[in-house]
Parts: sequence; structure tokens; C-alpha cells
Amino acid sequence: AQKITQTQPGMFVQEKEAVTLDCTYDTSDPSYGLFWYKQPSSGEMIFLIYQGSYDQQNATEGRYSLNFQKARKSANLVISASQLGDSAMYFCAMREVTGNQFYFGTGTSLTVIP
Amino acid sequence: EAQVTQNPRYLITVTGKKLTVTCSQNMNHEYMSWYRQDPGLGLRQIYYSMNVEVTDKGDVPEGYKVSRKEKRNFPLILESPSPNQTSLYFCASSLIGPYEQYFGPGTRLTVT
Repeated sequence: AQKITQTQPGMFVQEKEAVTLDCTYDTSDPSYGLFWYKQPSSGEMIFLIYQGSYDQQNATEGRYSLNFQKARKSANLVISASQLGDSAMYFCAMREVTGNQFYFGTGTSLTVIP
Repeated sequence: EAQVTQNPRYLITVTGKKLTVTCSQNMNHEYMSWYRQDPGLGLRQIYYSMNVEVTDKGDVPEGYKVSRKEKRNFPLILESPSPNQTSLYFCASSLIGPYEQYFGPGTRLTVT
């Protein structure tokens, strides 16, 4: 079974609008971390936001927030007030504390339309 | 400046010719890892290391070797590269625990 599932290969959003990128995960480990990374066309991997499995509140970092629904095993990324520079690939990832492996999803390509 | 460096950035080679991709970090991180990125498959972990002389297989270790003789370095070795190892490779490092990984700039490898 896939550890991380991103079901949206491509998404479009109007500039200044909000967009949600979906991510579901699969683990039986009670302790884990969830991450989102951005990969612009230049290729580098940029860390955006982190959510721990025991965190009570949803993580936020500037225009990025993580909608964490533990019972549903989902960790959706919300980008508010989209900008042209947000056009990129976005990857959801998980790290199980016991296993020490990192698992990445297949990514979502986001295009911001002026 | 805190960073992860990889060399070379681009490499074209032929089937069977041994190659090494170097990775170095200056953040004193215990955890280091190698990934390959292929279209439609995302990033897949090849090997990871929790500390010097401690390495473990990720999801796609076949055809690769690693070593961790120093904390800062984690080279990826392809003993006999094949065309199906043509990919974009990333090295990453982090502290142990629920911490984000810092990625190198990537190495684009083509095996003909």
C-alpha cells in the first residue's frame, strides 16, 4: 500500500485565490511527522511546513497552512492568496519515528493563472 | 552557509561504468539520505544513514551502494549503472527526529 497518496496530478488556481492540495497517508505508527515540500521548475526542494502527529493545532507558516485530520489520515496543504511564484510541484511526505524512512507522494503540479 | 552539496550536477555515462555521486553537508546532521525522482513516481528513498557506519535500505536500493565513513559525507555508488538508473538524484540531511530534511541541488544522471 502507498504510504503517501496525492490524487491531484495537476491543479490550476487563479492568482490571489486560495487552493488546497490533497494528501492522505497510511501508517500504524502512532508517532510520525508530515511535511510539504515545493519544487519549482529550477529543481530544488524547498521545505514549506511540518505537522507532528501529536500536534493539537494545525500548522501554519505564512500563507501556508496544513489542514490535519488525523482520523481521516489526511494532511492537506492550503495556500492562501496564490501568487505566480507558487507555480511548482508540491510533494507531501511522511516520516515515521520508529522506521526512520521518509516517504514521498507522487506530487501535485500547481499552476497559478494571472 | 548551511547547505548540502552534491557533485556532479550533471552526468552522462555508459552502461557498466562505475560512478560515484558525492554528497556533503555542513550542518552536523546525523541523518543523511539518497532519493531518486522519476516522472509520475515522486521521490523514492534509496538508502539512508542514521550515523557514521550505520546505513539502511530504503524502498529502491537495488543497484546502489552507499557508505558513511564520516558524518558529513554520504556518497552514492553505482557499481554497474544501467539505463533504468537514469534519473534525478537528491541527497538530503536532517537531525534525527521530527525534523525537515535539507536537500542538495540534485544530480541529473543519464545512463546510455
